[in-house]
Amino acid sequence: QSVLTQPPSASGTPGQKITISCSGSDSDMGSNYAFWYQQFPGTAPKLLIHTDNQRSSGVPDRFSASKAGTSASLAISGLRSEDEADYHCATWDTNLGAWVFGGGTKVTVL
Amino acid sequence: QVQLQESGPGLVKPSQTLSLACSVSGAPISSGSHFWSWIRQPAGKGLEWIGRVYASGSPNYNPSLKSRVTISLDTSKNQFSMNLSSVTAADSAVYYCGREVLSFSYYIDVWGKGTSVAVSS
Repeated sequence: QSVLTQPPSASGTPGQKITISCSGSDSDMGSNYAFWYQQFPGTAPKLLIHTDNQRSSGVPDRFSASKAGTSASLAISGLRSEDEADYHCATWDTNLGAWVFGGGTKVTVL
Repeated sequence: QVQLQESGPGLVKPSQTLSLACSVSGAPISSGSHFWSWIRQPAGKGLEWIGRVYASGSPNYNPSLKSRVTISLDTSKNQFSMNLSSVTAADSAVYYCGREVLSFSYYIDVWGKGTSVAVSS
């Protein structure tokens, strides 16, 4: 059972915009920055977004993120087939003294 | 460019200790400016942070694993290691090592490719 809550799946057609949510609590998402990782099957996660809404180097501006209170969200606009992957949210939990992750959201391009 | 590479046994027997190493190239782990983390992912599941170490202080561990895990640095080899004792089938996972870099806060910016570990007799 993951500490952060994400929908298990999300889908859209090419060109559409989809949004993935990540819900936490006061001690994790409510107190610390949000991070997003992209993971293709059989490969390691790759940093997509850091510090709530900053794209990592080389990440297209089709990817954007925001955070409000204890929830964060990742948006993918102009959806492309190569965006099919798992997306994980993460943050530091101040009470646990540990990184916590969401269960991951599998994005499918229809 | 920093690169991390995990190594260790692909199969461990129940109740034994799992030992993994992460070799780091492109950055000295002794610099004290980064944390070095271990994360795991059971098949088909989400990521779980195991713990981290850095050159300038004590390791931090996930409370759920703290009683069984030890993470340490070997600066002579520029690598860091993880030992997980009393393993069960629930510890079967892909294990990743990662580097944490400091911006406004620390975050994991570089990951190794991962190594798959199965716990079975």
